[in-house]
Amino acid sequence: QLQLQESGPRLVKPSETLSLTCTVSGGSVNSDNYYWGWVRQPPGKRLEWIGYADYSGSTYYNPSLESRVTISVDTSKNQFSLKVSSVTAADTAVYYCARHEGNTSLFDPWGQGTLVTVSS
Amino acid sequence: QSALTQPASVSGSPGQSITISCTGTSSDVGGYDYVSWYQQHPGKAPKLMIYDVNNRPSGVSNRFSGSKSGNTASLTISGLLAEDEADYYCSSYRSSRTWVFGGGTKLTVL
Repeated sequence: QLQLQESGPRLVKPSETLSLTCTVSGGSVNSDNYYWGWVRQPPGKRLEWIGYADYSGSTYYNPSLESRVTISVDTSKNQFSLKVSSVTAADTAVYYCARHEGNTSLFDPWGQGTLVTVSS
Repeated sequence: QSALTQPASVSGSPGQSITISCTGTSSDVGGYDYVSWYQQHPGKAPKLMIYDVNNRPSGVSNRFSGSKSGNTASLTISGLLAEDEADYYCSSYRSSRTWVFGGGTKLTVL
């Protein structure tokens, strides 16, 4: 059974870069037709799609975040990562990693989520 | 990136049926059969309930069903149970391999 687990710093200072890693177990990121992505949810607010990448390096981002976001897949570690630069308090959120199956609307499974707070 | 429009809240009594709507445009909901629905209990990760408008993943109760007409998708839950009380989010493909979520609907089981 595929499982995803987020990890990374829970507190980031304004203007710095937020970095998270999602470790995949029970399956491989080196799989055709799957994309490895991130969704965030500010406290009390809606879900927001951040973007995803496949193992070949193709990436797709939310246009509203594209200038600050990088998602990459590390096949040697069976992980994928998220970087958000120049963060502000508005980037405070629970960050979820999730797998997307190509040619469907299926985002599943999801990681448990990790709360990242942007504060000095 | 504007969100899809969902009612902020819906409610129903145990055993009843409720429907949650998700309205977008011809550039997302209306243009593709790539709509999914997620259930989220407080403090938990979203759980996939419906994908590709009306498909249920293995393990999801057949009390949950999805449909679409024009620019509006709908999630129907029949035979409401107390455990169905949660937030529900729709999601849709929106061209150029981007995705958008709805604003979320809080379901209260009276």
